[in-house]
Amino acid sequence: ETGVTQSPTHLIKTRGQQVTLRCSSQSGHNTVSWYQQALGQGPQFIFQYYREEENGRGNFPPRFSGLQFPNYSSELNVNALELDDSALYLCASSFRLAGDEQYFGPGTRLTVT
Amino acid sequence: AQSVTQLDSHVSVSEGTPVLLRCNYSSSYSPSLFWYVQHPNKGLQLLLKYTSAATLVKGINGFEAEFKKSETSFHLTKPSAHMSDAAEYFCVVGFLNDYKLSFGAGTTVTVRA
Repeated sequence: ETGVTQSPTHLIKTRGQQVTLRCSSQSGHNTVSWYQQALGQGPQFIFQYYREEENGRGNFPPRFSGLQFPNYSSELNVNALELDDSALYLCASSFRLAGDEQYFGPGTRLTVT
Repeated sequence: AQSVTQLDSHVSVSEGTPVLLRCNYSSSYSPSLFWYVQHPNKGLQLLLKYTSAATLVKGINGFEAEFKKSETSFHLTKPSAHMSDAAEYFCVVGFLNDYKLSFGAGTTVTVRA
């Protein structure tokens, strides 16, 4: 069974640029969620994708967007990067049931300068 | 509103002594409750979960947690701490009518030799 993988591991961007983060879900999972974890804090929910559509969204602006592909992999896109976007971005996969456990990837560390 | 509170931001124990991490939740519905662990520069790993079966839940690496509805608590314990238990621990709540997991602020565990 293949776990959740994310790429890249680390990324450095300049304020105002755009970034794309990628995630491959665990085998057999059809739902992908993205979380932002700022330094010293717990992860905050960004959004969830199910069957290639956004299924729910947290308190993040529209410049955070995503995609899910037919193979259930996913992308997180962030436009017009701000310094506060510096964080660890975590992808998690799960079955469709809400409230079920989610399995997390190792994360992408984004630094915005 | 649904939320989770971790009562200790930092816990320090000696190797071989018990560990107790405290978590309270607030919810109008029956929750699913989880404990996740995050080692430095690593993703989140599921330790255990409660989903309305037995109130005493056993997880990996000798951890267990007890769900107490009357106290709205889900405290995590381990009888004997090991150096490898040094990490950040998150109490997490999920609901069948919600798509996201909500994380507590985390408890940092340090283990003294």
